[in-house]
Amino acid sequence: DAMVIQNPRYQVTQFGKPVTLSCSQTLNHNVMYWYQQKSSQAPKLLFHYYDKDFNNEADTPDNFQSRRPNTSFCFLDIRSPGLGDAAMYLCATSRVSAQDTQYFGPGTRLTVL
Amino acid sequence: RKEVEQDPGPFNVPEGATVAFNCTYSNSASQSFFWYRQDCRKEPKLLMSVYSSGNEDGRFTAQLNRASQYISLLIRDSKLSDSATYLCVVNRRDSGAGSYQLTFGKGTKLSVIP
Repeated sequence: DAMVIQNPRYQVTQFGKPVTLSCSQTLNHNVMYWYQQKSSQAPKLLFHYYDKDFNNEADTPDNFQSRRPNTSFCFLDIRSPGLGDAAMYLCATSRVSAQDTQYFGPGTRLTVL
Repeated sequence: RKEVEQDPGPFNVPEGATVAFNCTYSNSASQSFFWYRQDCRKEPKLLMSVYSSGNEDGRFTAQLNRASQYISLLIRDSKLSDSATYLCVVNRRDSGAGSYQLTFGKGTKLSVIP
């Protein structure tokens, strides 16, 4: 059974048209992360929520926002997608412990036309 | 210096070969270590955690040397299905947020050929 679910799996948007990606989890984990991964690169952390506390990475553009209305759901909003934002967006969850790893969803592949 | 460095490969090995991947990390405050596997256009999946005492899971052996800040993964008797990118991953506490953050290497690509 899927534990971290992302919708949609594939998203096509137009340059400048806002888009929202969704992530949900059945693990009841405290922490939810959003990563951006481009071809042949490592996943890059955009931000994460520790419970309701939002933690932004210093180099994440303002164009990227996130919402976590409850423990299970987290959203990534891209306000004005540019061509450079085309990537795989990965959601992950974890508990809070040094030994706990992160569980990834299948990702949403974003195409910007 | 990058926080987590790996040889990007590709490593092209015949079935049945033994192959080793290495990784170095720069942050001595790193607390836990993992190898993830990522298939083409899929999400990363945990392969195994890495402990100082070394740990083995079937054909896979992982080793950590904290003094040298070095992590390794050994795959014995390679199978075609082992073809993937192997990501070295380091976990450290984000003192500001109170949570932990993973830092990924760029990955080492392995192709096992018949």
